[in-house]
Amino acid sequence: LAKTTQPISMDSYEGQEVNITCSHNNIATNDYITWYQQFPSQGPRFIIQGYKTKVTNEVASLFIPADRKSSTLSLPRVSLSDTAVYYCLVGGGYQKVTFGTGTKLQVIP
Amino acid sequence: NAGVTQTPKFRVLKTGQSMTLLCAQDMNHEYMYWYRQDPGMGLRLIHYSVGEGTTAKGEVPDGYNVSRLKKQNFLLGLESAAPSQTSVYFCASSYPSGRVNTGELFFGEGSRLTVL
Repeated sequence: LAKTTQPISMDSYEGQEVNITCSHNNIATNDYITWYQQFPSQGPRFIIQGYKTKVTNEVASLFIPADRKSSTLSLPRVSLSDTAVYYCLVGGGYQKVTFGTGTKLQVIP
Repeated sequence: NAGVTQTPKFRVLKTGQSMTLLCAQDMNHEYMYWYRQDPGMGLRLIHYSVGEGTTAKGEVPDGYNVSRLKKQNFLLGLESAAPSQTSVYFCASSYPSGRVNTGELFFGEGSRLTVL
């Protein structure tokens, strides 16, 4: 899997849009970009996945530039319940799936 | 569907004891994984399996053994527990048989293991 780099932590006020960027300079042609969310004492859960351009679902948007060397997870109007760790994963084949350290998002009232 | 179920959810062991963690999934997934997560850290892959009867080493396999005798079950064994193995263990599965593999992982609720 391609190595990823994310900020260790971020703070945001409630109601703001939060953008978390992940760098993956070694991304391969057939790699997808996947983001997971993990609440304390729970296993991670899938948020969104994309290959290029923009993907949007009911939870988040994922922006991927043309060179695909980075991606940005966008969370609109965050609430306290969005406080969690967010992981960016890059790969294809999905056999040996490894996680980085993730980004700890703290939403402030 | 129950999804991914881990047993036990909590366990306290003494150094040198052995135990087995059981992971069961009812989604007919081909791939299964065991991760450990230490306080304030990300998940580290211990072992994984890409099909019944197959296993492979992850990032931190030492001190652990695994078996996948049945497609729906993935067992993680500690033959001689050490305090360094105190952690929360997560099982995950992916790739529904006969469907496109999107790579989406489904996790269990975790098993908290303390080795004294």
